[in-house]
Amino acid sequence: GEDVEQSLFLSVREGDSSVINCTYTDSSSTYLYWYKQEPGAGLQLLTYIFSNMDMKQDQRLTVLLNKKDKHLSLRIADTQTGDSAIYFCAEGNAGNMLTFGGGTRLMVKP
Amino acid sequence: DAGVIQSPRHEVTEMGQEVTLRCKPISGHDYLFWYRQTMMRGLELLIYFNNNVPIDDSGMPEDRFSAKMPNASFSTLKIQPSEPRDSAVYFCASSLIGTGGLDEQFFGPGTRLTVL
Repeated sequence: GEDVEQSLFLSVREGDSSVINCTYTDSSSTYLYWYKQEPGAGLQLLTYIFSNMDMKQDQRLTVLLNKKDKHLSLRIADTQTGDSAIYFCAEGNAGNMLTFGGGTRLMVKP
Repeated sequence: DAGVIQSPRHEVTEMGQEVTLRCKPISGHDYLFWYRQTMMRGLELLIYFNNNVPIDDSGMPEDRFSAKMPNASFSTLKIQPSEPRDSAVYFCASSLIGTGGLDEQFFGPGTRLTVL
């Protein structure tokens, strides 16, 4: 079946860039997603990328997709303490359920 | 729209008791998902419905777990009898899959279940 892998933990200093990486196995994924979970809350869609794109930029967020290597990354520029959360990578096919990674806990130190 | 609504937000019960978790999806959404989140196993999909019909329940851990969706605006997840290892945060999510296949799932705030 499909599998999505992420590192468990990332720590950065406020103002630095954060890069969260993800690998997936399903080559037929239509969209790839990044969800954010703040403490005590459910997941919320942060951004997504269509599988025929290799980059998407949205303000401080940059998503890079290497479809050949099945590698997805999320870069957060000028990381703030409010960015501290768990970030989930997910992949999905049209009409199917999403497969989530285990989540990367981002800690931002002041 | 108020978003996905879950109740209760917190539930503490004793082993052996029946637990019922409730979810109201976003109006107009045709998919509903139940997830369980623990430190050990992360986020697990338990079951999902499309147009009130269960599609995949392969993630339901045991026969002690059951889920229903009697109508488009309500779903329940029941655990009977509950055990301490069922302690987790249970999330309900709903979505409306677009024609292009974009699937943004909207999550509720979760129910934190503690089984003593």
